Amino acid sequence: DAMVIQNPRYQVTQFGKPVTLSCSQTLNHNVMYWYQQKSSQAPKLLFHYYDKDFNNEADTPDNFQSRRPNTSFCFLDIRSPGLGDAAMYLCATSNPSYPLEQYFGPGTRLTVT
Amino acid sequence: RKEVEQDPGPFNVPEGATVAFNCTYSNSASQSFFWYRQDCRKEPKLLMSVYSSGNEDGRFTAQLNRASQYISLLIRDSKLSDSATYLCVVNLSGGYNKLIFGAGTRLAVHP
Repeated sequence: DAMVIQNPRYQVTQFGKPVTLSCSQTLNHNVMYWYQQKSSQAPKLLFHYYDKDFNNEADTPDNFQSRRPNTSFCFLDIRSPGLGDAAMYLCATSNPSYPLEQYFGPGTRLTVT
Repeated sequence: RKEVEQDPGPFNVPEGATVAFNCTYSNSASQSFFWYRQDCRKEPKLLMSVYSSGNEDGRFTAQLNRASQYISLLIRDSKLSDSATYLCVVNLSGGYNKLIFGAGTRLAVHP
């Protein structure tokens, strides 16, 4: 019954070692988002896809990249993780017909050692 | 100034209490408003939308004051299960659905 799935739920990586987080959805939504949430802070939008159109937030570091090979899947690549990148990474989806409701996945908690 | 500001709390209240959360937003172009609930180490989930006329969903009442750029959430008859962080969220008008989240107000309901 899961609608937005994120894998893995917990990820440990080393400083500077590339890491990829994945998100999949069964909702067939056109729009997929990646948020970063640090402890006791607001979720911060990194980028989103509308279908294959990629939209980067102006303040998202170049260290963060994303891929969306098809409607169902979206990946977040962190090329050289720093200690400051330790956070919860949340994937969300929305349907343009009901654009204001976003469905979140359970998140991936990233630890950088 | 943060785009969406909330009192971080925590609010510690006994079961049955009424508790109110406040939120202010800075962008007068904001079009839509929401309260999300986030349990510890879980994802945010939509609690309710907020309309200018005010709206109620069971024990939860949300109010919006556009002139003051102020949003509130009132929880009546608090339950232990209401313990969570409540995120105030606004949607900016524009070409796509960008939600701006507040950092949240933590609520702890005790027996």
